[in-house]
Amino acid sequence: EAQVTQNPRYLITVTGKKLTVTCSQNMNHEYMSWYRQDPGLGLRQIYYSMNVEVTDKGDVPEGYKVSRKEKRNFPLILESPSPNQTSLYFCASSITGANTEAFFGQGTRLTVV
Amino acid sequence: AQKVTQAQTEISVVEKEDVTLDCVYETRDTTYYLFWYKQPPSGELVFLIRRNSFDEQNEISGRYSWNFQKSTSSFNFTITASQVVDSAVYFCALSESQKLVFGQGTRLTINP
Repeated sequence: EAQVTQNPRYLITVTGKKLTVTCSQNMNHEYMSWYRQDPGLGLRQIYYSMNVEVTDKGDVPEGYKVSRKEKRNFPLILESPSPNQTSLYFCASSITGANTEAFFGQGTRLTVV
Repeated sequence: AQKVTQAQTEISVVEKEDVTLDCVYETRDTTYYLFWYKQPPSGELVFLIRRNSFDEQNEISGRYSWNFQKSTSSFNFTITASQVVDSAVYFCALSESQKLVFGQGTRLTINP
């Protein structure tokens, strides 16, 4: 089954404790991206990747890092989480770029206390 | 910079009514793509439609239809004869170069 898998689905952590949210797709898509969803703000793009070893900032990259060492994986790293990063996070992939249909993961609800 | 505005934060209608969700966008590019996604109460995001800037033809898919008007920078979504299962948050989105920008979303509630 074609899918994008995020882990964990739920996470509560403390300020400053590094964490990684994993994202994996099995569709051989070139483009992957991360979004955060906050009430009243919709989804905002954090980072995106056009292909292996090619990443770029979205609209809200501060406090986040990503890597794309393999085509299927695109982890989101929070080196020092803060409470303002409490949010619902989505990973997505699409076949060639942002102008094609995006397939989304199930979401990760992160709470930073 | 590109921007998408969904001015309707919440809409509530009775089942079988028609409802239109508005989407207005801003972009400087001549080549861009517009999307609608649905987020049901279960939380996942589901693709509904993609339209490129050179194709202004309206689209109909069952009870769903989309009206794209470049003159007013709008890409509105109409649900005809709404059903309770249509209850969800709907997002309009714009892609320009390799970025994707979403609107704030419209929460649609269909009451039995």
